[in-house]
Amino acid sequence: DAVLTQSPLTLPVTLGQPASISCRSSQSVVLSDGNTYLNWFQQRPGQSPRRLIYKVSDRDSGVPDRFSGSGSGTDFTLQISRVEAEDAAVYYCMQGSHWPYTFGQGTKLEIK
Amino acid sequence: EVQLVESGGGLVQPGRSLRLSCAASGFSFHDCDYAMHWVRQSPGKGLEWVAGIFCISGSTGYRDSVKGRFTISRDNAKNSLYLQMNSLRGEDTALYYCGTERQPGGLDVWGQGTTVTVSS
Repeated sequence: DAVLTQSPLTLPVTLGQPASISCRSSQSVVLSDGNTYLNWFQQRPGQSPRRLIYKVSDRDSGVPDRFSGSGSGTDFTLQISRVEAEDAAVYYCMQGSHWPYTFGQGTKLEIK
Repeated sequence: EVQLVESGGGLVQPGRSLRLSCAASGFSFHDCDYAMHWVRQSPGKGLEWVAGIFCISGSTGYRDSVKGRFTISRDNAKNSLYLQMNSLRGEDTALYYCGTERQPGGLDVWGQGTTVTVSS
């Protein structure tokens, strides 16, 4: 199974400042079709997860463009260009290339 | 708009069974091009994929800890997804979400979840 390791696990950020979360996989998440199915989810307190990014860098509909994803192979990053108050949440990466799908441990973004 | 509503959770004793349901609206299982899944989240913990089913072939997959105990299925006529959970254990206690994977590679829509508590 692909083990996804996120860092940091807690990320204090000042409003208006950038934020970056790393996700490393124990094995390649590139599928035989050539696609890399690496997703990022946001989970606000008391809510269901919401997908922000799919296929490494494609934003879901309605996701603000301050969210961006990058990476390849086994190393991926979620970046928020300017953190807003509503971004306080736990962020998870997830690989959707190989069953069982696996998630990172989650990164809690806190507003300082 | 696609909406998923889970039901069937509750308090159950270890070793007993429970069946979860996920009703879809704004989305027809007949139009499901890829897969649907169950994902769980233990209290205060992270997300864990439990099971998935391909819409066209009906092929299924499970995480190791639930193989032989859980069964995922779907009923296209009722536009519903199910998770039959047998021989439940304390470590199965979690909030269970269903989710769609309308295109390969990730769950794009999630329900609100239904809580399962396994305790004597």
